[in-house]
Amino acid sequence: KQEVTQIPAALSVPEGENLVLNCSFTDSAIYNLQWFRQDPGKGLTSLLLIQSSQREQTSGRLNASLDKSSGRSTLYIAASQPGDSATYLCAVYSGGSNYKLTFGKGTLLTVNP
Amino acid sequence: EAEVAQSPRYKITEKSQAVAFWCDPISGHATLYWYRQILGQGPELLVQFQDESVVDDSQLPKDRFSAERLKGVDSTLKIQPAELGDSAMYLCASSSYGTDTQYFGPGTRLTVL
Repeated sequence: KQEVTQIPAALSVPEGENLVLNCSFTDSAIYNLQWFRQDPGKGLTSLLLIQSSQREQTSGRLNASLDKSSGRSTLYIAASQPGDSATYLCAVYSGGSNYKLTFGKGTLLTVNP
Repeated sequence: EAEVAQSPRYKITEKSQAVAFWCDPISGHATLYWYRQILGQGPELLVQFQDESVVDDSQLPKDRFSAERLKGVDSTLKIQPAELGDSAMYLCASSSYGTDTQYFGPGTRLTVL
C-alpha cells in the first residue's frame, strides 16, 4: 500500500525567505506526483504535476523536483510572501490496474510579514 | 473559469440522521471523484466514477455510504445513518477523460453531533 509522508508538518518563515518542503513515498512505481495548495476550509488547488519520467517542473516562484528511485520530492518556494501561507499537500498517482491519488498529511506554511 | 460546484458548504447533523451532498463537475469532465478529508489529514478517495459507472469504491463504507451519478453529470453522496466519526470535509473533484489533473470543489464541511 502506497504511503506518503511530508516533512515538516508545520513551518514558519519570515517574508522573503526561500524554503523547501519535503515529500517521500514508499512505492516508487508511480505514474506522476502532484503538489496541491489548500487554504483553510477550502478545496485543493493544483500547483505542479511531475510525470514519472521527469525530474522537475517550474511554475513562477515554485519548483518541484522528483527522484523516483529514492521515493522523494521537494517543493521549493522562492522569495516567500504572506499570500503563500497555506497547507501544501503532496500526492502520488499510483496503483497498478486502477490509478488513484494518495495524499500526504500536508505541511502547514506560515509566512510572516 | 469553470469550477466544480458543491452544496451545501456546511452541514451539521445529529448522529443516526441521513445526510446528502451534491457535486456538479466541470462541464465535459467524464471522471468524478469523492474524497473524505479528516482534519489534519490528507484527502482519501471514497469513490471514483467514469461517466455513470463506478470505477473504484474500495474505500467506501458501503454499509452506510452510497454514491450515484445517474446521468454521468452531477453526483450525490449519501450517508445513512451518520456517525460521530463521519465528521470531516467531503471534497468532490473532476477531470477530463485521459488526463491526470483533478479540479477540486470547495468541499462540504460535515459535523455530526
